[in-house]
Amino acid sequence: LAKTTQPISMDSYEGQEVNITCSHNNIATNDYITWYQQFPSQGPRFIIQGYKTKVTNEVASLFIPADRKSSTLSLPRVSLSDTAVYYCLVGGILTGGGNKLTFGTGTQLKVEL
Amino acid sequence: DAGITQSPRYKITETGRQVTLMCHQTWSHSYMFWYRQDLGHGLRLIYYSAAADITDKGEVPDGYVVSRSKTENFPLTLESATRSQTSVYFCASRPGLITTNEKLFFGSGTQLSVL
Repeated sequence: LAKTTQPISMDSYEGQEVNITCSHNNIATNDYITWYQQFPSQGPRFIIQGYKTKVTNEVASLFIPADRKSSTLSLPRVSLSDTAVYYCLVGGILTGGGNKLTFGTGTQLKVEL
Repeated sequence: DAGITQSPRYKITETGRQVTLMCHQTWSHSYMFWYRQDLGHGLRLIYYSAAADITDKGEVPDGYVVSRSKTENFPLTLESATRSQTSVYFCASRPGLITTNEKLFFGSGTQLSVL
């Protein structure tokens, strides 16, 4: 199972773009990259998922370089409500690796005025 | 999401007692998971289930028992609670292998304190 490494914490201000990078050097061919967001006293919530290149949805963008050994979650124009813990996960479906998705400790993002 | 519910929301018990945490999902998802969350450790997988009557261990299964007699329910039992099992427990589910989407849906959690 691919292990991920993220910064423990990041600080930002409202209106700025935030980029959180995740390292996953031993990602397997069948692994997808998924990001979750967790607010205090709540379960994690799915943000975005990708396999390669760039994925964008209404919440965020996910950039994945060609070697797939890292990925960057980009949050445009953050607000106070984006203060949360962000988790990067890698896991595959066909190999069964997705059944043991490990979350790690995540990145605590703090957004200030 | 309202489709996956955990009960109770809060639980206080004593060491040595048996405790069961409940998890119910309404989507008929094949896979269900139990995680515990502790400061400094993030979320750690306890057990998961691929379908009714199919369960397997995760990272930290010791001291826990699970069952899955029905697709929608996945109870987690602490047979003899210990203080080290004080934690927040999250249940999650996702569709089966026919989809490439690894999206997990989480419940709101159960905060368990073992005194």
